[in-house]
Amino acid sequence: SAVISQKPSRDICQRGTSLTIQCQVDSQVTMMFWYRQQPGQSLTLIATANQGSEATYESGFVIDKFPISRPNLTFSTLTVSNLSPEDSSIYLCSVGGRQGWETGELFFGEGSRLTVL
Amino acid sequence: DQQVKQNSPSLSVQEGRISILNCDYTNSMFDYFLWYKKYPAEGPTFLISISSIKDKNEDGRFTVFLNKSAKHLSLHIVPSQPGDSAVYFCAATLESGTYKYIFGTGTRLKVLA
Repeated sequence: SAVISQKPSRDICQRGTSLTIQCQVDSQVTMMFWYRQQPGQSLTLIATANQGSEATYESGFVIDKFPISRPNLTFSTLTVSNLSPEDSSIYLCSVGGRQGWETGELFFGEGSRLTVL
Repeated sequence: DQQVKQNSPSLSVQEGRISILNCDYTNSMFDYFLWYKKYPAEGPTFLISISSIKDKNEDGRFTVFLNKSAKHLSLHIVPSQPGDSAVYFCAATLESGTYKYIFGTGTRLKVLA
């Protein structure tokens, strides 16, 4: 599997501020994704981070709230903007499409736990 | 509308016995399924997958069974070990090449020594 590093691993932020989460993969991958896991809930896909173009957002998620960058095939950032307590979640970077993986396997970073006060 | 459901939030099993984790889905068009294990403060770890063209896939102590007519899949862990204690998620996608998965809410497995 790929080594997927996320920073920060956790943070506590004030309402109205923003937090940027970084995701670094140890090899080039075609597909990078951002998921959210709210307390006691399942993982929900926020968006697909596309290299060289705008991210593709799932229903219920918008670019103004969750801007995403993907400057190359090994790195992406997710920003959670204008924070409110409802944004308190674990945010997870995931990757797929690495050469040699069986089609369909999705791998995750360790997650970034955000608490908004 | 929860398309992938794990109706048992928790399960306790004695060490050495079989653990059976269940997952039901509503969309018959799902074509690829995954199981993940998640420890506290860690990201989900991929365990095993199964394509809709199969009804069983085995990897060591882990076996996944798919019953398409019942829209049901299950993960069997034999024998269960204390280190298997974690939250297990099933996930499904309409097209494996898109990597867009819908996850269940998870089942917390506790293996008792």
